[in-house]
Amino acid sequence: KQEVTQIPAALSVPEGENLVLNCSFTDSAIYNLQWFRQDPGKGLTSLLLIQSSQREQTSGRLNASLDKSSGRSTLYIAASQPGDSATYLCAVIQAGTALIFGKGTTLSVSS
Amino acid sequence: DAGITQSPRYKITETGRQVTLMCHQTWSHSYMFWYRQDLGHGLRLIYYSAAADITDKGEVPDGYVVSRSKTENFPLTLESATRSQTSVYFCASSEISGGAGNEQFFGPGTRLTVL
Repeated sequence: KQEVTQIPAALSVPEGENLVLNCSFTDSAIYNLQWFRQDPGKGLTSLLLIQSSQREQTSGRLNASLDKSSGRSTLYIAASQPGDSATYLCAVIQAGTALIFGKGTTLSVSS
Repeated sequence: DAGITQSPRYKITETGRQVTLMCHQTWSHSYMFWYRQDLGHGLRLIYYSAAADITDKGEVPDGYVVSRSKTENFPLTLESATRSQTSVYFCASSEISGGAGNEQFFGPGTRLTVL
């Protein structure tokens, strides 16, 4: 059974710092990996989607990488801002249709 | 409005009552999903639908019923609500899933409390 783990569960950094969020999965047979952002009491906002054939995707200050063979993905956030404070969720899709989620990393960026 | 909407956004009900959560998307996506989010468990799939009149169970389907008579709507019904169904419910949709693995988009969620 696929399991997705995100470490650390919580992270606090000062504004301007570059940071990396980690996601690992136990079964490398995935079709894609998706990173989401969730603000308190809100829904999920899709940040980046990486297809299994891709190594990375970039959007603005965000860069996500995927290493299927090692079962790992990272989300790199450059020059963090207080507005980046949120919970970041990693999810994979494999055979079947549903996303399998990690439990998230809660990021706090202080000004 | 374009996108995916859910109603109601908040609902309080009592054990044993029937409750229906609504989900509507304007993209004509083929696939639609219902997830629930609970502390300690994260997001888990309840049911999904590949097209109108095609539905299938997810990880935690017990106590829930779904239907999909139209592509754009995917209601979730709790036939007899229990306290364990207190949760935040998210609807999602995607154009294609499975092999193509396209991006899923989520609604704003419905916060359900069962007393």
